[in-house]
Amino acid sequence: DIQMTQSPSSLSASVGDRVTITCQASQDIRNYLNWYQVKPGKAPKVLIYDASNLETGVPSRFSGSGSGTDFTFTISGLQPEDIATYYCQQYDILITFGGGTKVEIK
Amino acid sequence: EVQLVESGGVVLQPGGSLRLSCAASGFTFDDYTMHWVRQGPGKGLQWVSLISWNGASTQYGDSVKGRFTISRDNSKNSLYLEMNSVRAEDTALYYCVKDKAGGTGYFDYWGQGTLVTVSS
Repeated sequence: DIQMTQSPSSLSASVGDRVTITCQASQDIRNYLNWYQVKPGKAPKVLIYDASNLETGVPSRFSGSGSGTDFTFTISGLQPEDIATYYCQQYDILITFGGGTKVEIK
Repeated sequence: EVQLVESGGVVLQPGGSLRLSCAASGFTFDDYTMHWVRQGPGKGLQWVSLISWNGASTQYGDSVKGRFTISRDNSKNSLYLEMNSVRAEDTALYYCVKDKAGGTGYFDYWGQGTLVTVSS
């Protein structure tokens, strides 16, 4: 299986801060990577697909970049409603999720 | 409205067997690849298995390969997961998940999950 190493596992930031999460694949996955947001009691939601494409209706403060083995997810201006756990997911060979990043407000 | 309703979760002993079911509605079930994804207590999401729209192709994660079997009955709009030789580490909330389109890994609808607890 392809391993996805996501960091950090948790972070605390202030409203308005820029937040960055990284995900590293154990082998080249091209751009076959999605980013999910998971809030307690709610179904996971895709925010970014194919590494850098913003899903329709998702605020533009969310963005993704990268290809190959190294990927970045950014929230440019953290909002209270962004409190959630975020996961990267590769789908180049089968499917693997990263370990998740829990985002909290400082 | 798309609905995925899982059932079959129980408390069972290591080495036991069970079958999870997922009843799908609100979309043309036999057009889509379906998945099982699980989340253990205090853990992250873990992909378990997928089955193609017609059942001809199945795939499994390494941790369940050889022990779990995914299947579907398109006449009943239902997805199944047969779990054998269960272990403590299989304890998790199991989600039935719809793939937006074959091969994208884009999971657009999730059920509420059914809880499997493996304990002696």
